[in-house]
Amino acid sequence: GIQVEQSPPDLILQEGANSTLRCNFSDSVNNLQWFHQNPWGQLINLFYIPSGTKQNGRLSATTVATERYSLLYISSSQTTDSGVYFCAVEDSGAGSYQLTFGKGTKLSVIP
Amino acid sequence: GAGVSQSPSNKVTEKGKDVELRCDPISGHTALYWYRQRLGQGLEFLIYFQGNSAPDKSGLPSDRFSAERTGESVSTLTIQRTQQEDSAVYLCASSLGGGAAEAFFGQGTRLTVV
Repeated sequence: GIQVEQSPPDLILQEGANSTLRCNFSDSVNNLQWFHQNPWGQLINLFYIPSGTKQNGRLSATTVATERYSLLYISSSQTTDSGVYFCAVEDSGAGSYQLTFGKGTKLSVIP
Repeated sequence: GAGVSQSPSNKVTEKGKDVELRCDPISGHTALYWYRQRLGQGLEFLIYFQGNSAPDKSGLPSDRFSAERTGESVSTLTIQRTQQEDSAVYLCASSLGGGAAEAFFGQGTRLTVV
């Protein structure tokens, strides 16, 4: 099946700093989503971005489907950004619509 | 409803007992997924339903696990003869389906087997 690798696995930021999270995937995809899992375990949708670039406030994401990676940018980080960021993809050739998740990037933003 | 709803939020059960977990998808969503997340780990796919098509059961870890869904409504995940390694958060998601559709997750059911 499709492989999804996220980097870095852990990241500690000072409040106000910027960061870039990366998601590499091993095959072509129909769907790519970024989620934020908050400390209470809730998965919050950040971006649905199988290709192209999107922005939402301090967050933006870019997916380069032909090169099989996606980037999530967090600018001016806040303590509320802490949590785990997951990338999930749907393999376009698998004949199944399951979403395969990476292992996540654990972000800690310190004041 | 406005979002994906799961019940119960928490469940503690004795080893060997059967448990049923429930998921109410977003109204109009034809696709429904179940995932398992062990403590500090990523999400493991369990099963996918799309309308009245045969479900993709490829992620179910053993024959103790089963799931049902009638049409585009509620789904139940059943774990028989629970084991301690079944302790995890079970997450349900729904989408408009047919692939390439944004999935939305419920808050999960935290299962503890003692």
